[in-house]
Amino acid sequence: AQKITQTQPGMFVQEKEAVTLDCTYDTSDQSYGLFWYKQPSSGEMIFLIYQGSYDEQNATEGRYSLNFQKARKSANLVISASQLGDSAMYFCAMTANYGQNFVFGPGTRLSVLP
Amino acid sequence: DVKVTQSSRYLVKRTGEKVFLECVQDMDHENMFWYRQDPGLGLRLIYFSYDVKMKEKGDIPEGYSVSREKKERFSLILESASTNQTSMYLCASSLGTGRVYQETQYFGPGTRLLVL
Repeated sequence: AQKITQTQPGMFVQEKEAVTLDCTYDTSDQSYGLFWYKQPSSGEMIFLIYQGSYDEQNATEGRYSLNFQKARKSANLVISASQLGDSAMYFCAMTANYGQNFVFGPGTRLSVLP
Repeated sequence: DVKVTQSSRYLVKRTGEKVFLECVQDMDHENMFWYRQDPGLGLRLIYFSYDVKMKEKGDIPEGYSVSREKKERFSLILESASTNQTSMYLCASSLGTGRVYQETQYFGPGTRLLVL
């Protein structure tokens, strides 16, 4: 079974600074995918970035990058140049080769300060 | 862009009522999912479907049923709503290539259901 841990219930960051949101995972599968989602107060889950277990390069999508350390089983999200609109809940999730469903972490609430 | 829509953003129902939550996706995705989200418990999978008329139980199917008569539409049914079903309900879809670990799930805006 897969498990996701996000140890930071809440984080604060100053506008324009970078922030790292932690995610560790546990799985016995060799093939798996790691995902980050953003959930603003409106409720919609917005897909941000994906990292596959076989990807050798860290994934990047605009201001989002994923610091993937396979041996440590960590997949931290880095947001560069934070904006006020980045204030939201952030969820790390994973799925493995033998499962159809995602496993989500408990989430981290990020607050960007002006 | 993938678009997943849900029939209502907010819904208020009475205990014992039958409740239908509708979800439609416009990207010809094979897989569709229903989750509920509660504070402190995160997202939990209720049911999913990988084909028309096919369904699989998730982690918390009790008190719910689903229907998938057409590929683009996945309905969640609360046969007799109870107060402990007050929650945020999120629908999602994914392509369904068979390489599950590569598939992103795309979510709808969610339905906040209050059962009185």
